[in-house]
Amino acid sequence: GNSVTQMEGPVTLSEEAFLTINCTYTATGYPSLFWYVQYPGEGLQLLLKATKADDKGSNKGFEATYRKETTSFHLEKGSVQVSDSAVYFCALLYGGATNKLIFGTGTLLAVQP
Amino acid sequence: EAGVTQSPTHLIKTRGQQATLRCSPISGHTSVYWYQQALGLGLQFLLWYDEGEERNRGNFPPRFSGRQFPNYSSELNVNALELEDSALYLCASSKPALAVETQYFGPGTRLLVL
Repeated sequence: GNSVTQMEGPVTLSEEAFLTINCTYTATGYPSLFWYVQYPGEGLQLLLKATKADDKGSNKGFEATYRKETTSFHLEKGSVQVSDSAVYFCALLYGGATNKLIFGTGTLLAVQP
Repeated sequence: EAGVTQSPTHLIKTRGQQATLRCSPISGHTSVYWYQQALGLGLQFLLWYDEGEERNRGNFPPRFSGRQFPNYSSELNVNALELEDSALYLCASSKPALAVETQYFGPGTRLLVL
């Protein structure tokens, strides 16, 4: 079946460090891929998305590239800030009759000053 | 533009009671989705409503039900509450689901069952 696997956290970094959160997926066909972020005590916010192979999603300094050959959608940021501390969820979505997001387990990022 | 809104923000119930959660989608969005975020279980898809109809359902018992109103707002009802129903319930909305559309989430309702 369709699934998303994320690296386990927590990930602890110092401010201005480089961030990579790995995400791989198992799916038939070509789903759309998303990163959502959940700040403490809040709901999910869409961070970025990519709808087809080789697309690069970007927002707020975060980037992820849809790699069909490695079925991956790794999240990167060149220089993290304390305010980036949150849980990050990778997800895939097919449209049509299913139309439900399938989430990874989430990765907690803690950025220290 | 107003985002997805949910009410109440917190809800405390006892075992066996019923809970009703409400969601208002973004203006122009006709699809509403419900997800459960339980501790240790991650985010699980519950229900999808579009144009007043239930379109898809996750692997949850029938005591989880809902509906969508003509103004596209939605209710999630959980009957015969059990302790393990304690979770954050997230509502999301999207444009008419004719293709793959991004889902936008509300802040959630935190349900505690005692």
